[in-house]
Amino acid sequence: EVVLTQSPATLSLSPGERATLSCRASQSVGIYLGWYQQKPGQAPRLLIYDASNRAPGIPARFSGSGSGTDFTLTISSLEPEDFAVYFCQQRSIWPPLTFGGGTNVEIK
Amino acid sequence: EVQLVESGAVLVQPGGSLRLSCTGSGFVFNTHEMGWVRQTPGKGLEWISFVSSTGTTTHYAASVKGRFSISRDNAQNSLFLQMNSLRADDTAVYFCASWYYGSHTRGLFDYWGQGALVTVSS
Repeated sequence: EVVLTQSPATLSLSPGERATLSCRASQSVGIYLGWYQQKPGQAPRLLIYDASNRAPGIPARFSGSGSGTDFTLTISSLEPEDFAVYFCQQRSIWPPLTFGGGTNVEIK
Repeated sequence: EVQLVESGAVLVQPGGSLRLSCTGSGFVFNTHEMGWVRQTPGKGLEWISFVSSTGTTTHYAASVKGRFSISRDNAQNSLFLQMNSLRADDTAVYFCASWYYGSHTRGLFDYWGQGALVTVSS
């Protein structure tokens, strides 16, 4: 099973700041990693697929990078609606599909 | 618009059984592969089951294998999760989710239901 470790657990930032979130895999997943955003009381929403591709309708301030075992989600300038929890998920080696533990981006 | 709607919140006793359902609309149901993902405050998101578009292939997480069973009725645009021998640590919000079977991002969930809270408690 591929274990995904996200850091930090919590990121406290102000609107307009840059957010950098990390996801590390226990073994190589190539580029087959996605990122989701989840707001309270809502289902997750796919933001990024295959490490660096934005899903339809996702703003350009969201970008992803990485391959192998180390991945990064960057939000270039935080908007008020971006404060949420972010999860990574791998689709390279499954079953099982696995998720990271999440990073909570909160308002400082 | 693609919509997935799970059955409502449920309270069940430990050792009991429950069948969750999820109904799809706004898309051709039999072209989507589907799964169940659950979420607890302590463990985040956990994938628990998958079913192919035809229903012939299924997969389960180790935590539920032998206790849960996934199925679908394409004629009724419905997905099911039969949950047996329920335990307190099965308490979670259960999401149904899907991707188009021919998607180049197969394995990432494009569409999600709103979630159904399952509470296992006496």
